[in-house]
Amino acid sequence: ILNVEQSPQSLHVQEGDSTNFTCSFPSSNFYALHWYRWETAKSPEALFVMTLNGDEKKKGRISATLNTKEGYSYLYIKGSQPEDSATYLCAPIDDKLIFGTGTRLQVFP
Amino acid sequence: EAGVAQSPRYKIIEKRQSVAFWCNPISGHATLYWYQQILGQGPKLLIQFQNNGVVDDSQLPKDRFSAERLKGVDSTLKIQPAKLEDSAVYLCASSNGTVRYNEQFFGPGTRLTVL
Repeated sequence: ILNVEQSPQSLHVQEGDSTNFTCSFPSSNFYALHWYRWETAKSPEALFVMTLNGDEKKKGRISATLNTKEGYSYLYIKGSQPEDSATYLCAPIDDKLIFGTGTRLQVFP
Repeated sequence: EAGVAQSPRYKIIEKRQSVAFWCNPISGHATLYWYQQILGQGPKLLIQFQNNGVVDDSQLPKDRFSAERLKGVDSTLKIQPAKLEDSAVYLCASSNGTVRYNEQFFGPGTRLTVL
């Protein structure tokens, strides 16, 4: 089973700051990696499904990159807003999704 | 499009009692997943169904947990008897296609507290 690490565990930023998180995973037997956003009391929501080394995906102010050879993915949020406050989970795939423990982001107005 | 529905949203029981959770996936989604998310950890897959057949239940504690998906639609997850360490959020998700390349759609979860 994959060992997935996410850092930092938590992050507090001011509105307007840009921020990024890291997801690290073993680079062997890589198939794909999912990013999810989970707001308190809501359902986890898919952000990106990434499959190829060098993949870059963007949705509004959020973007992600993938490096399968070195085993990491970065998630960037440009100009953080209070509504971005959530836990961000990455999940590379072995034969199933293996979720990291997440990065909890709090954006203060 | 209606999302994944789960009930109840919250449940408090005493240890050794039984509990059941219900999930209704997105219409047409063949694959259904149950996850357990313990505080401070990422969600862990308990069981995956493809239609009404089990694809993966390797991490399901089968001495106390059971799950079924009748007619390939709704699913129930049961714990009998519950232990303190079963306190967690139980998430149901569904997808249309293989897990590798297709996003999963999650329900809001059931927060279980075992006293």
